[in-house]
This record gives sequence, structure tokens and C-alpha cells, in this order.
Amino acid sequence: DTGVSQDPRHKITKRGQNVTFRCDPISEHNRLYWYRQTLGQGPEFLTYFQNEAQLEKSRLLSDRFSAERPKGSFSTLEIQRTEQGDSAMYLCASRLDFAYNEQFFGPGTRLTVL
Amino acid sequence: DQQVKQNSPSLSVQEGRISILNCDYTNSMFDYFLWYKKYPAEGPTFLISISSIKDKNEDGRFTVFLNKSAKHLSLHIVPSQPGDSAVYFCAASVSSGGSNYKLTFGKGTLLTVNP
Repeated sequence: DTGVSQDPRHKITKRGQNVTFRCDPISEHNRLYWYRQTLGQGPEFLTYFQNEAQLEKSRLLSDRFSAERPKGSFSTLEIQRTEQGDSAMYLCASRLDFAYNEQFFGPGTRLTVL
Repeated sequence: DQQVKQNSPSLSVQEGRISILNCDYTNSMFDYFLWYKKYPAEGPTFLISISSIKDKNEDGRFTVFLNKSAKHLSLHIVPSQPGDSAVYFCAASVSSGGSNYKLTFGKGTLLTVNP
């Protein structure tokens, strides 16, 4: 399977714990995006990488959130001191660097903070 | 402020009939629009897109129409099949001026196709 993969698929944690999610984009895609989806809402943009450079962060991304993409390959999203409001589906997407190109999404990581 | 709006949370149609899903946007900078389909516990799957230089794009049973003056687009599915039952998201992005192509999504419309 050569699609976008995410790990883990599900994560249950207690409030105050740190969690880290991983995304492996399609191999030739140099652009990578993180989105968050809560119940009844569409996905909301969190952050964007072009190769290894993080070029934009949403105001939704508080200082408890950090994302990296070392060497422009896989990416990680870390949430420190989780809060119940962080419970959501975290989606990763990647795309080729051409105009009018769709983003391909991974299956998501479902985070539940107790 | 919702820049992309899908005002119908749900739509129910009979198998074989046409499904029409609507989407409105407010940001005039948007020039590339996409429809995604999402099943529970899966990521969104790309369906069809349209750039603002066109007013129609067709792919098999799926057609997207864009009315720029009204800032409105619609997705037509003909004929509808039970396997089309899913949540459909409208998304928009800016493609010009060094854009990062981030997507702004609507809240989605749950389509149910009844056999």
C-alpha cells in the first residue's frame, strides 16, 4: 500500500500526559499537512510542511503542540500536557508540488483524553 | 467565521436518483475547490475537484458545478448508489501567489442512499 499511513490509529490517554503521533506521507510528496477534526465539524488546518520546513501554523496550534518533519520524510505531531479538549481525530495529508493537485489523507489517529 | 458552508447536514435519496450536495463560500481568494467523501473511522477520500477557470467538471457519475458570481458549488451524483452513503465534505483553497494549498472545509453533509 503506497498511501498515507498514520500511527497509532487510536490513542487513549489521561489528562496531563504527552502523546506523539506519526505520519508517513506518500513517498514522492514534498508537502505535508496536519488537520484536526472534532465531532460534527470538518477537518481544520493545523500546520504545513514543505520538505522539512514548517511554513505555517494555525492559531489552533497552541504552544503545547509541536510538529516536526526531519529530513522531509515522515512527520510527528506531539501534544504535551493533554487536555480533554484535545480529543479529536488527527489527520495527516500529503500532496505533490503542482498546482491543482489534491491532498491525499491518511486514516487518522483518534485521540481520546480522559 | 465559516468560510466554507454546507448548510444541509443530511440528505436522503433513493437508489438510482440524483443526489445534489451544495456548498457556499465567502472568501473571494479561493480558486480551487474539492469534494471529499468520508466513511466513519477513515480519512477523507478525494472525489473530484474544479478550478475557478472552469464552471463544470465531470468524472463518471460525479459532476461538480461552480458558480463564481454566487460563490456556490454543487456536487451531482447520478445515478446514486447505496455505496455512495457517506459524509461529503466541500473544501476550498487558494492556489496562487506562493500558496501552501491548505484546505478549508465545510462541516459536511451526510448522504444516505436508500435501496
